[in-house]
Amino acid sequence: DADVTQTPRNRITKTGKRIMLECSQTKGHDRMYWYRQDPGLGLRLIYYSFDVKDINKGEISDGYSVSRQAQAKFSLSLESAIPNQTALYFCATSGSGEVGELFFGEGSRLTVL
Amino acid sequence: DAKTTQPPSMDCAEGRAANLPCNHSTISGNEYVYWYRQIHSQGPQYIIHGLKNNETNEMASLIITEDRKSSTLILPHATLRDTAVYYCIVRAYNQGGKLIFGQGTELSVKP
Repeated sequence: DADVTQTPRNRITKTGKRIMLECSQTKGHDRMYWYRQDPGLGLRLIYYSFDVKDINKGEISDGYSVSRQAQAKFSLSLESAIPNQTALYFCATSGSGEVGELFFGEGSRLTVL
Repeated sequence: DAKTTQPPSMDCAEGRAANLPCNHSTISGNEYVYWYRQIHSQGPQYIIHGLKNNETNEMASLIITEDRKSSTLILPHATLRDTAVYYCIVRAYNQGGKLIFGQGTELSVKP
């Protein structure tokens, strides 16, 4: 089983719908992240959390919210999806040490029509 | 965090060394250089990181210039499976795992 699991892997939805992407990890890491990737572009950081009570905005947090339900779970919500939120979304985790190696999930492809 | 500059694309012959350059002329003394790669649309994979000394692991070598303004990732014997986008990132020591990705270099390994 993967260390970082994202659900759903693929989702097609309509403008205005609420969408939740879920991430769970078995690495025991404190730190979790949500990134977004658009075609031909690198990854952009949406939100990150260094522990259960800590939530921080990243580069592009507008239109998104997150919830850290437990150490192992970090979900990303789009309250009212819009077409320009069509993208590939990645969850990642890292330990609390200074090395900073990120472990990524397999991605969730979201299409907003 | 300091910005990085990478060529958008490179080709390499299978079995030859792939040398991927990265410029980070504004790097600060407490910033590490990280390399990740992304194969097709999979999640990025950590390769290696370093501060000022050259580093080597089972995947690659990282050569950092003495002034730390640039670095080179070396894949000693590239295979077709090394075809990917390679990201060079600099990050402060105390920034935890927060990494800001640029657009990377698309490496094509050809038979």
